[in-house]
Amino acid sequence: ILNVEQSPQSLHVQEGDSTNFTCSFPSSNFYALHWYRWETAKSPEALFVMTLNGDEKKKGRISATLNTKEGYSYLYIKGSQPEDSATYLCAFMGDSNYQLIWGAGTKLIIKP
Amino acid sequence: GAVVSQHPSWVICKSGTSVKIECRSLDFQATTMFWYRQFPKQSLMLMATSNEGSKATYEQGVEKDKFLINHASLTLSTLTVTSAHPEDSSFYICSARRLPHAGTDTQYFGPGTRLTVL
Repeated sequence: ILNVEQSPQSLHVQEGDSTNFTCSFPSSNFYALHWYRWETAKSPEALFVMTLNGDEKKKGRISATLNTKEGYSYLYIKGSQPEDSATYLCAFMGDSNYQLIWGAGTKLIIKP
Repeated sequence: GAVVSQHPSWVICKSGTSVKIECRSLDFQATTMFWYRQFPKQSLMLMATSNEGSKATYEQGVEKDKFLINHASLTLSTLTVTSAHPEDSSFYICSARRLPHAGTDTQYFGPGTRLTVL
């Protein structure tokens, strides 16, 4: 059974501080790693799709890195703002059936 | 662009009734749509994948006669929970993908439906 783990489960961060959290996934049969942002009462929104080992992607104050050999990805948020409060989901896609296997998410709460 | 709507956003029904949930891609054609279920504090679990004009592919453990999926057009997929029971109470969410098979293509999600079966 393929397992995708995200840690921590939840995180309280002071406004203005930077933070990061982890997505762990199987290190074999890797095809892609997706990051999504899910605000309460809204639809999950795609942040990044990462495919290459060592890849780093950036969108404003949010960036992500990828290590496919050891099976982890980090999501970084620089200078957290209240609007960053959301649940951040990662999903692993293997090259056997190309389905997304989801982590349970990291719930980020920014304290003003 | 790439907006997906889902209706209803929440529904309460009596045990034994059937509930239909609609998933629509509003500004693009979705060759593939996915139905997920999420229990509290757990991951999104894929229930089935539907391609327009063909039968849905159900994941192991998901009863196809209980969760009827229809993807009749490139912009609409429906999930019908038949003879719902309290254990079917959950959060159901759909997503749509534009390309028929692209692992790096983004899935666009609806806002989800909270189903409560009394």
